Amino acid sequence: GENVEQHPSTLSVQEGDSAVIKCTYSDSASNYFPWYKQELGKGPQLIIDIRSNVGEKKDQRIAVTLNKTAKHFSLHITETQPEDSAVYFCAASGNDMRFGAGTRLTVKP
Amino acid sequence: GAVVSQHPSWVICKSGTSVKIECRSLDFQATTMFWYRQFPKQSLMLMATSNEGSKATYEQGVEKDKFLINHASLTLSTLTVTSAHPEDSSFYICSADSGALSEQYFGPGTRLTVT
Repeated sequence: GENVEQHPSTLSVQEGDSAVIKCTYSDSASNYFPWYKQELGKGPQLIIDIRSNVGEKKDQRIAVTLNKTAKHFSLHITETQPEDSAVYFCAASGNDMRFGAGTRLTVKP
Repeated sequence: GAVVSQHPSWVICKSGTSVKIECRSLDFQATTMFWYRQFPKQSLMLMATSNEGSKATYEQGVEKDKFLINHASLTLSTLTVTSAHPEDSSFYICSADSGALSEQYFGPGTRLTVT
């Protein structure tokens, strides 16, 4: 089955800096890679996703890159703001969807 | 679009009682819904996948007689925790597959506390 690894587990940045979270996956059949943001006491919210036929996707301050050959994908947040502070989960989906362990991002004002 | 609701948002029950959690897709039909469990500071653990009109598929290690799942319609799935024990206390989250190429949308979660 699919195995998704996510790094780092915690990340602290200064407001305005960039944050990068990386994930690797094992199943070459995975073709859909979403990223979720989870705030305390709430359900995960889909913030961006990418499919295997695309190498990069951007939505305002958020971007995701995918390297199918190396089986890794990354989330990039630019110009971070305190409200970006949350736990971020990557996931890989082929036959089923598996999640990374999560990254707790703290943006210091 | 793609809004999923859960009810209740939190519940406290006594050990030995049963609790039902509802998951609804509000603006789309979901042929597949998923139930997850999340412990503090941990990732999402898939419990079961439910398809409308058929029996749920449970992940290994999840007791199907304890966690009853009913997917009665294309917009509603329920999870019943039977004979609840304190170790069942957790954050339960559902998600619904919009059908649009694997996209899952999550509900806000239900915090269950068993005393």
